[in-house]
Amino acid sequence: QKEVEQDPGPLSVPEGAIVSLNCTYSNSAFQYFMWYRQYSRKGPELLMYTYSSGNKEDGRFTAQVDKSSKYISLFIRDSQPSDSATYLCAMKERGSTLGRLYFGRGTQLTVWP
Amino acid sequence: DVKVTQSSRYLVKRTGEKVFLECVQDMDHENMFWYRQDPGLGLRLIYFSYDVKMKEKGDIPEGYSVSREKKERFSLILESASTNQTSMYLCASSLGLAGGNEQFFGPGTRLTVL
Repeated sequence: QKEVEQDPGPLSVPEGAIVSLNCTYSNSAFQYFMWYRQYSRKGPELLMYTYSSGNKEDGRFTAQVDKSSKYISLFIRDSQPSDSATYLCAMKERGSTLGRLYFGRGTQLTVWP
Repeated sequence: DVKVTQSSRYLVKRTGEKVFLECVQDMDHENMFWYRQDPGLGLRLIYFSYDVKMKEKGDIPEGYSVSREKKERFSLILESASTNQTSMYLCASSLGLAGGNEQFFGPGTRLTVL
């Protein structure tokens, strides 16, 4: 059983839409939660980072973590064509010293003008 | 800025060849990682290293080996390339111990095995 589940999409929305991307997980030891964005033919880049439960906002992006439900979300407000990319959730265990991250499969998002 | 570089963006090899993929990072990171990325399967960890000459198997190490002789360089070796190793290979690095959560990725090497 995969530890991190993410709907691969693809997801296609019009410009200006609110986008919701989600991941679920089974490992209670996950304490650090990240969203990476990967443009076509590029490596992933960190977009948002959240420690434990709660919300974090950065411009048009909001990351939410609900540890009781083992569920994390990324919301994109006023989506733009430049947001078209693959979004990967990633998680790290509490106390991990080796830096290993566990990734979801990624959701491919297209925002059309 | 952290920079992770990979030796080739595109590589074409023949079945049975020995293939070396090189990764170099310039931020003195302790941890380095090799992933492969395939459509529908996402990122899968092949091997990682937390120090020079130290390595740990990831989820799919079969058919691969690694070498880390210097802190900044982490090599992935395909001893005898097969067609099912055609994939995008991504290298990443991060700080060691509790200081590092973010992994910094290279641009990837798209390997085709014929």
